[in-house]
Amino acid sequence: AQSVSQHNHHVILSEAASLELGCNYSYGGTVNLFWYVQYPGQHLQLLLKYFSGDPLVKGIKGFEAEFIKSKFSFNLRKPSVQWSDTAEYFCAVISSASKIIFGSGTRLSIRP
Amino acid sequence: EAGVAQSPRYKIIEKRQSVAFWCNPISGHATLYWYQQILGQGPKLLIQFQNNGVVDDSQLPKDRFSAERLKGVDSTLKIQPAKLEDSAVYLCASSAGTSSEQYFGPGTRLTVT
Repeated sequence: AQSVSQHNHHVILSEAASLELGCNYSYGGTVNLFWYVQYPGQHLQLLLKYFSGDPLVKGIKGFEAEFIKSKFSFNLRKPSVQWSDTAEYFCAVISSASKIIFGSGTRLSIRP
Repeated sequence: EAGVAQSPRYKIIEKRQSVAFWCNPISGHATLYWYQQILGQGPKLLIQFQNNGVVDDSQLPKDRFSAERLKGVDSTLKIQPAKLEDSAVYLCASSAGTSSEQYFGPGTRLTVT
């Protein structure tokens, strides 16, 4: 069955530290990949997406993600986090059959 | 551009009661989704509509949950009767197509006591 794994449940970093959040999926076919973010008190919003082409995609607020097909991964990165990046981050996968699955989320806390 | 609207924002009911949630998607978005998000978990798709037809309702507990999108625009999700484990945030989202990015509403926080 199709699944999405986010192994880091809670990540705590200091400001200016580098960030990498893992996302692995299990599906052998073509996928569309997304990272969504939920800031405190706000609703889910799109951070970035990958449909095809360059596997390194850039999103809003300095975030980027790399699709590695051989590893079934779509990890989210940011070279230097800010306190305002405190949020919950969700990876999502849409399969070629239009099935969508979200990961369980990673809570990111940034120490000022 | 107006976002996805949901109401109510909060609802508290007793178990075995019924409840309904309403969603109005972004204008022109053909695809509408209802998700259940339990605290500490990611959103779980309950049902997906393409216009007024159901694309996927494989995870909808059909003995108690129902949803409709009669005119292909706004939608309602109903729970009857509610159970304690239904306590969650119910999210509505819409997109231009079935594989496109989704736009989420603020959600309805349901507490079943």
